[in-house]
Parts: sequence; structure tokens; C-alpha cells
Amino acid sequence: DIQMTQSPSSLSASVGDRVTFTCRASQTIGRRLAWYQHKPGKPPKLLIFKASSLETGVPSRFSGSGSETEFTLTISSLQSDDSATYYCHQYVSYSFGQGTKLEIK
Amino acid sequence: QVQLVQSGAEVKKPGASVKVSCKASGYTFGSDDIHWVRQATGQGLEWMGRMTPNSGNTGYAQKFQGRVSMTRDTSTSTAYMELSSLRSEDTAVYYCASGVTVFGAFDVWGQGTTVAVS
Repeated sequence: DIQMTQSPSSLSASVGDRVTFTCRASQTIGRRLAWYQHKPGKPPKLLIFKASSLETGVPSRFSGSGSETEFTLTISSLQSDDSATYYCHQYVSYSFGQGTKLEIK
Repeated sequence: QVQLVQSGAEVKKPGASVKVSCKASGYTFGSDDIHWVRQATGQGLEWMGRMTPNSGNTGYAQKFQGRVSMTRDTSTSTAYMELSSLRSEDTAVYYCASGVTVFGAFDVWGQGTTVAVS
């Protein structure tokens, strides 16, 4: 099984800050990685697929990078609506990271 | 519009089974796999398995092997996930999801079904 490890587990930042989340895969997955935003009471929302492709309708302040085993999700200028838990997801054999909870100060 | 609509909340006793449905609309229910993901209380997202509607072919996470069954009814474009031998740790929100316009990633999600085991 491919294990996905996200860091940090939680993060607190202010509106306008630039924040970066990291996701590491236990085996190489090429660019078969997605990022989701998950808010309580709602289904997860796809932000990024194929490591760096922005899903239609997602604001351009979200960006993804990386390949093989190291990936990052960056929010260039944090907005109050970005408070959520963010998950990475590998779709070689399917598994999720444990999530990073983002709090807006 | 493309959507997945799931069945309502369930309350089950330990040892029982639960069957959750996921009805697809707005696209051709066929070659795009339907996946099931759950979030137990206070936990993260957990992939349970997948089913290809055209063939009925399935693949399950090792953790759920022998306890989960994913099926479909192509006449109604509905996928089903049945989990048996329920225990308290199975209390969770269960989601169906699919990659309709994006291969591999999940761009369409059901609204979630809460299953409480008590």
C-alpha cells in the first residue's frame, strides 16, 4: 500500500498570508496526485489534479507542484473562506493523506 | 448537471449490515469508476474501494476485504455499497465519488450518508 504523509497536521495563518502544505508518498506515484478542500458538513471539493492542474472554477490563488514522491499545495493569498482541512490523494492505488487543518487567525 | 445523490442516514446495531445507494445523473453511468470514501468521527478521509459500472468489476481496500461489497444497477444508474459485521468504529459519513471529467481524481461527490452504529 502507498502511504501518504501530510505536514503540518495543522496550521494557523492570517488573511493575505502565503501558506504551503506538503504531501509525501511512500512510493513513486508520478503525477497522480490530487488535492481536496473539505469543510464540515460538505463533501470534499477537488482543487488540483495531476499534481498541478487547477480544477475548473477553483480560484487561481491555489496551486500545486511536485512529482514522484514530494508534492506541495500553495495558497498564495489566504482568504477567510479557505478555512478547511486539506487532503492529498494518490490515485495509483488510492489512498489519502491524514489531512492538514487550516485555521484563519 | 452531473451529480451523485445518496440515500439517507442509517442507524444500525453492531453486527448488522448497511447498504448505501448512490444514484448518478447528468452523465453516462458506465466507464467512470464509482469510489466509496468514508470519514469516521474525528478522522480523515479513507478510501474503501471502487466499482466499474459497465463491468461490475470491483477493487477493495485491504482493510475492508471480506466485509464490503460494491454493486450496481445499470437500469437505474445506481451504485451500492454494503458493509457487513458493523462495529462502533464504522460510525462515519460515507461518500460516493467519481472522476467524470478528470481521470483518476474525484471531481464529483455525493452529499454523504451518515451511518451510526450503536
